[in-house]
Amino acid sequence: LAKTTQPISMDSYEGQEVNITCSHNNIATNDYITWYQQFPSQGPRFIIQGYKTKVTNEVASLFIPADRKSSTLSLPRVSLSDTAVYYCLVGAPNSGNTPLVFGKGTRLSVIA
Amino acid sequence: EAQVTQNPRYLITVTGKKLTVTCSQNMNHEYMSWYRQDPGLGLRQIYYSMNVEVTDKGDVPEGYKVSRKEKRNFPLILESPSPNQTSLYFCASSFLFSGRAIGEQYFGPGTRLTVT
Repeated sequence: LAKTTQPISMDSYEGQEVNITCSHNNIATNDYITWYQQFPSQGPRFIIQGYKTKVTNEVASLFIPADRKSSTLSLPRVSLSDTAVYYCLVGAPNSGNTPLVFGKGTRLSVIA
Repeated sequence: EAQVTQNPRYLITVTGKKLTVTCSQNMNHEYMSWYRQDPGLGLRQIYYSMNVEVTDKGDVPEGYKVSRKEKRNFPLILESPSPNQTSLYFCASSFLFSGRAIGEQYFGPGTRLTVT
């Protein structure tokens, strides 16, 4: 299983860029990297997914180095509403029984 | 509206009394999965299914059963619940692309289960 490691918590001021890194040293060739956001008492919500290099959408960027052993979620200009737990997920199930493994999450607190 | 629904949302039960938590999605997704979430442990996958009649164990399958008789439904069954199964449970669904990788997962609202 591709285990992941993330910082437990991070603090940031409003308007700053936040970078959250996830380590996944034993990522497999077929694995994708996906990030989710979760607010209290709600199910996680998809943010972004990538396989290699850089992916950008309207809310975030995902940077994946060539060795793919880590990835960095970048949130530009965070606001108070970005206070949440962010999960890194690595996996690509196939018929060979490969579960998906979430990290323990990074609790981001955005301060005014 | 595209969604994943779970029922019940809250459940308190006693040790050993069989229960089923239902999960249904209306997006024609191939992939469905169950997770449990516990403080300090994040999300852990219980079981997943890549299509009808195809289910596989996740990270923590002990004490749980699932079935996938229809594409839209993926019930989670606890044959003999125990207090260590007290948790917040989430169902999720997704398309598969290239038959392998997981697309964006849509999560249900969660079911908070307490076993006394």
